[in-house]
Amino acid sequence: DQQVKQNSPSLSVQEGRISILNCDYTNSMFDYFLWYKKYPAEGPTFLISISSIKDKNEDGRFTVFLNKSAKHLSLHIVPSQPGDSAVYFCAASTGNQFYFGTGTSLTVIP
Amino acid sequence: DTGVSQDPRHKITKRGQNVTFRCDPISEHNRLYWYRQTLGQGPEFLTYFQNEAQLEKSRLLSDRFSAERPKGSFSTLEIQRTEQGDSAMYLCASSLGGRDRAYGYTFGSGTRLTVV
Repeated sequence: DQQVKQNSPSLSVQEGRISILNCDYTNSMFDYFLWYKKYPAEGPTFLISISSIKDKNEDGRFTVFLNKSAKHLSLHIVPSQPGDSAVYFCAASTGNQFYFGTGTSLTVIP
Repeated sequence: DTGVSQDPRHKITKRGQNVTFRCDPISEHNRLYWYRQTLGQGPEFLTYFQNEAQLEKSRLLSDRFSAERPKGSFSTLEIQRTEQGDSAMYLCASSLGGRDRAYGYTFGSGTRLTVV
């Protein structure tokens, strides 16, 4: 049973434009949400997190939005750069483990 | 510190053989996690250690799987009598307890297992 879902397997964006990656979850007990970025042949790298008591967290070009009523979070990257091309995983936690989505492959076109 | 190291990077084994993977976490991290990732899926939790104590195991971790973290340093994951369904990327991660939910884990590059 997939508790965290990323329904878009891939996304292409022009360099300089906004990238929006989406994630939905089913478990209302999740209280922390994270985004990871993964390059080929490497492990996932932590990008940004948000706690369930907030609805927005920003770190440079990356902003995560949380809509608890819709059980939805999104990652905005502005402006997108070619180096952002990677697979992005969202993850959610209610304890000592994280539940990961299936990932969205982002391609930023120069 | 060079981050989380996993060895080997790749392993090809015949069905029925036993395999063992090693993970060296970041030295000051007291928590160590094992995840498994199959093609097209996100990482799935297998087990985690706080220091040398194995505190949680997923039901994905059948009795053919065993993990250890002697002395709270490196960890090993052993799979006995491997099956083709065990083919996956096995990821190790470490963190400082109390910080990982806000700051995430540090993952290694993984061990890719292929069972033929």
